[in-house]
This record gives sequence, structure tokens and C-alpha cells, in this order.
Amino acid sequence: GAGVSQSPSNKVTEKGKDVELRCDPISGHTALYWYRQRLGQGLEFLIYFQGNSAPDKSGLPSDRFSAERTGESVSTLTIQRTQQEDSAVYLCASSLSASGWATYEQFFGPGTRLTVL
Amino acid sequence: KQEVTQIPAALSVPEGENLVLNCSFTDSAIYNLQWFRQDPGKGLTSLLLIQSSQREQTSGRLNASLDKSSGRSTLYIAASQPGDSATYLCAVSGNAGNMLTFGGGTRLMVKP
Repeated sequence: GAGVSQSPSNKVTEKGKDVELRCDPISGHTALYWYRQRLGQGLEFLIYFQGNSAPDKSGLPSDRFSAERTGESVSTLTIQRTQQEDSAVYLCASSLSASGWATYEQFFGPGTRLTVL
Repeated sequence: KQEVTQIPAALSVPEGENLVLNCSFTDSAIYNLQWFRQDPGKGLTSLLLIQSSQREQTSGRLNASLDKSSGRSTLYIAASQPGDSATYLCAVSGNAGNMLTFGGGTRLMVKP
């Protein structure tokens, strides 16, 4: 596709439910990143993938958060037993690579707005 | 831990003015610095990326400079237009994996 896509664009859920957020990166991009933007706060890093591996999960806020990536393409961020503090916009980005010393531009998707009631 | 600060937090200017947005970071060991704009309810649009070895990058009416040793970057917008109204974010990467650390943003309004 032409850009990074995310689905759903909006998700409203009840506290305690599980949710899955999906990211489709730009074709050929081996690096994929998840960030979160809570209301009134800056963007914070959650996790990144190089290929299908996640070398750094340090940004995940709790063990209720997990992510996977398959086929060096689609990634899913799963939040179990959602809490109200999980309400945020979840943004996905991709870039050509995250490995080595070369650095590449990150391209962002439109985000998924998650509201936990 | 890297910290990124953007000043001012908000800025309102009349159309046609030239303006400068500021970004500072605490750890000068960065790989690159990226400027984005964010429109309400939308994702981030990449504007410019400056590699750590570069001093500036230009795209149209935008010019971004980087002084890595002093931990500063500026985004210069020439002849501002109402369509430039958005939140501008700067972000740096400096770790394996190139995760970005973001500033809090500058909310720009250009009045017709």
C-alpha cells in the first residue's frame, strides 16, 4: 500500500475486555514501531520489531500488553483486561530497517483511538 | 535517559510571518532528528529528517537545523500560511532500533 494503515480507527470497549489493534506497514519496511499518545501527553514508545522479532519490549507498560508480527508484515498489539488508563491513541510506524548504524525515516499511520469505559 | 523539550508550547502568528520552532535534547549521542506535523485527529506526517552528521535539511518553505553538540534543533517556516496550522513535533533516535523520543510539541496557529 501507499502508506501505513491501522485498524480500527476507533475502538470503544468496556473495562476488563481484551482488544486487538492492527497495523499494516509500508510494503518492504522491515522495521515496525508502536507508540502511544495519551490525552495531553507526548508520544511514548511501546515496542519495535525488526522483521518478526521484537528486540526491545521495554516500553510496554505492563504484562497486559503484548504484540506480534508475522510475515515481516502485519503487526497486532493486544491489550488484555483493559483499564481506563489504557485510553489513548495508538500509533504505528514503519521504516526500511532498524538494524545497524543506518537510520531511516519513520512513517506513521493514522492511529487507533482507544476509549476504555 | 533522553529528554526532548520544545519551546514554545503554543504559537499564534499572522499569515506571512517567518517563524522558528525550537527543540532541545539532553543527550547529544543521537543518530538522527526528525520533525513531524500532526493535524487534529490524524497521524504524524514526516517533514524532515536530519542525520547526526548533517547540519541542516530543507524542504520547500521548511528548513531544519541541527547542532548536536549543544543539543538543539530549530525548524524555520518561511512565509507561514493558514494551512501550516498544526502541532509540530521533534523526535530523536539514539538507541539500537532507532526508537524515537518525542518532545511535547508546539501548537502553531497561523491566522489569515
